[in-house]
Amino acid sequence: EVLLQQSGAELVRPGSSVKISCKASGYTFTDYYMHWVKQRPEQGLVWIGRINPANGNTVYAEKFKSKATLTADKSSNTAYMQLSSLTSEDTATYFCTTSFAYWGQGTLVTVSS
Amino acid sequence: DVVMTQTPPSLSVAIGQSVSISCKSSQSLVYSDGKTYLHWLLQSSGRSPKRLIYQVSNLDSGVPDRFSGTGSQKDFTLKISRVEAKDLGVYYCAQTTHFPRTFGGGTKLELK
Repeated sequence: EVLLQQSGAELVRPGSSVKISCKASGYTFTDYYMHWVKQRPEQGLVWIGRINPANGNTVYAEKFKSKATLTADKSSNTAYMQLSSLTSEDTATYFCTTSFAYWGQGTLVTVSS
Repeated sequence: DVVMTQTPPSLSVAIGQSVSISCKSSQSLVYSDGKTYLHWLLQSSGRSPKRLIYQVSNLDSGVPDRFSGTGSQKDFTLKISRVEAKDLGVYYCAQTTHFPRTFGGGTKLELK
């Protein structure tokens, strides 16, 4: 069974950074791209970018190029997304997904002073 | 960016009814390999999205055949026959042909 287990909710200060994780199991981690998707409260889905866990190659949506950094650790089958210079606009639930077929449970990031 | 326009934004339905949701893209979704990477997702309240259909018309494992997807190029439709209570939620179309990947705005399916 494919499972994507994300790290827990985060409450962070404006201007800071946060790193969330997505641990994959039930399949060969390096066989599928890992995507990250943002969902603000009561809003739709926005694609952030994807990483190829086999070689670390990344593609980002233009608006997230200076906001998000995607990495992957093959030794632990875990993908990470770091978000920097956080503002209230970054308050959202963030999902990891293997090419939209399987999804993590989401990580709520709340940016507040 | 490819704009995905979903209509209607919301639907009220009685159990047992059939409904259709439209998704139109601003560019053709046919990839250079000849395949069309248009997918349908359902997000039930408080849950993660779940993919129902991939590449226009292929049902994911465990998805009942009450769901069907049709379309080509820039014009796609999701049909749900004999709606059940567990079908309620927000439906999204999504394209993975072009970068950046983009989603439709969603269609909220509610009980009448």
